[in-house]
Amino acid sequence: SQKIEQNSEALNIQEGKTATLTCNYTNYSPAYLQWYRQDPGRGPVFLLLIRENEKEKRKERLKVTFDTTLKQSLFHITASQPADSATYLCALDPRGNNRLAFGKGNQVVVIP
Amino acid sequence: DVKVTQSSRYLVKRTGEKVFLECVQDMDHENMFWYRQDPGLGLRLIYFSYDVKMKEKGDIPEGYSVSREKKERFSLILESASTNQTSMYLCASNAQFYEQYFGPGTRLTVT
Repeated sequence: SQKIEQNSEALNIQEGKTATLTCNYTNYSPAYLQWYRQDPGRGPVFLLLIRENEKEKRKERLKVTFDTTLKQSLFHITASQPADSATYLCALDPRGNNRLAFGKGNQVVVIP
Repeated sequence: DVKVTQSSRYLVKRTGEKVFLECVQDMDHENMFWYRQDPGLGLRLIYFSYDVKMKEKGDIPEGYSVSREKKERFSLILESASTNQTSMYLCASNAQFYEQYFGPGTRLTVT
């Protein structure tokens, strides 16, 4: 069956350190993968999109990698801040028809 | 600033009532989506519209219908609300194969 897996345990991290989140998928061959941030009681907000022919994408303190052989994406927040505390969702388009499938999200808590 | 708005942030309805959730986007996007989000289950697609009057079922369409009469507006209808439809409902829109823009969500409670 097709799956998108994110760690269900919250990641607690000290301010200033790098937070790394993992998104693993099975039985998909997506052309691109997206990462979203969601704060409690709010809608997700788009952060980054990485295509299958891109190994790495950066935006300010965020970095995403995409390994289509391992079927894995890593999401890094460098120099983390308490304001980065949120749930981060990965999403991909399994059939290339603009319909995203989302992981269940991974919560990050940045401790001052 | 791009915007997706939803008609209510919180809604309480009784079992059997007909419920309308409205979503409006100001980005001239072709595509609009309705999701529900439940703890432990994540975001699940209910319906998708790729053009005015066009719709496709998502993963969990049972008990729901949609309407898209104008490009900017996409409505989700619960024909006869049930307690298992208590959830957070999220609307989103996008241009083809690009990032989705989400509304703030409607937390619906059916009693």
